[in-house]
Amino acid sequence: DQQVKQNSPSLSVQEGRISILNCDYTNSMFDYFLWYKKYPAEGPTFLISISSIKDKNEDGRFTVFLNKSAKHLSLHIVPSQPGDSAVYFCVKFYNFNKFYFGSGTKLNVKP
Amino acid sequence: DVKVTQSSRYLVKRTGEKVFLECVQDMDHENMFWYRQDPGLGLRLIYFSYDVKMKEKGDIPEGYSVSREKKERFSLILESASTNQTSMYLCASSPAMGNEKLFFGSGTQLSVL
Repeated sequence: DQQVKQNSPSLSVQEGRISILNCDYTNSMFDYFLWYKKYPAEGPTFLISISSIKDKNEDGRFTVFLNKSAKHLSLHIVPSQPGDSAVYFCVKFYNFNKFYFGSGTKLNVKP
Repeated sequence: DVKVTQSSRYLVKRTGEKVFLECVQDMDHENMFWYRQDPGLGLRLIYFSYDVKMKEKGDIPEGYSVSREKKERFSLILESASTNQTSMYLCASSPAMGNEKLFFGSGTQLSVL
């Protein structure tokens, strides 16, 4: 049962433009959703989260939007920088200690 | 800064060997996790532990076991390695139940020949 699904394995964006990474989910009412970022040869690191009682959370250049009716969330990066090039994982956090990772989207920001 | 250390960056083993992957965290975290990462599949949970000597199966526990004798150390054991266990293995820890932040090690790339 895929609880979160990232349909785009890769995304290429020009430096300075907006990056939008998408994620669809199933079976969630009162959970948290997270985004993690992973560089090659490193473990993933926490980026930003959103509670299912909110529809938006912002942290600097990163904003996550949650559309509960569509069961969809998206991560916006504005403006995109070459250092943002990484794999981004959408994660569902549930039952207080369980994390379900999506398959990831590889973002390439071109200088 | 939290540090999660995995004992090996690369490991090559033969089919049928017993393999130990070690993970140590230095921040007194309650929870520890073992994931494997495969292309197109994201991270899949093998086992996690919420206390010393306590463990719970994840989504893909078959062929693996774990040991947590001390709070800071969580070991993943492949009893008899097989080629389909060739993967990147990632260890993580989190402070306590309800905390959404996982802290990962840099991973062990295991090849089973």
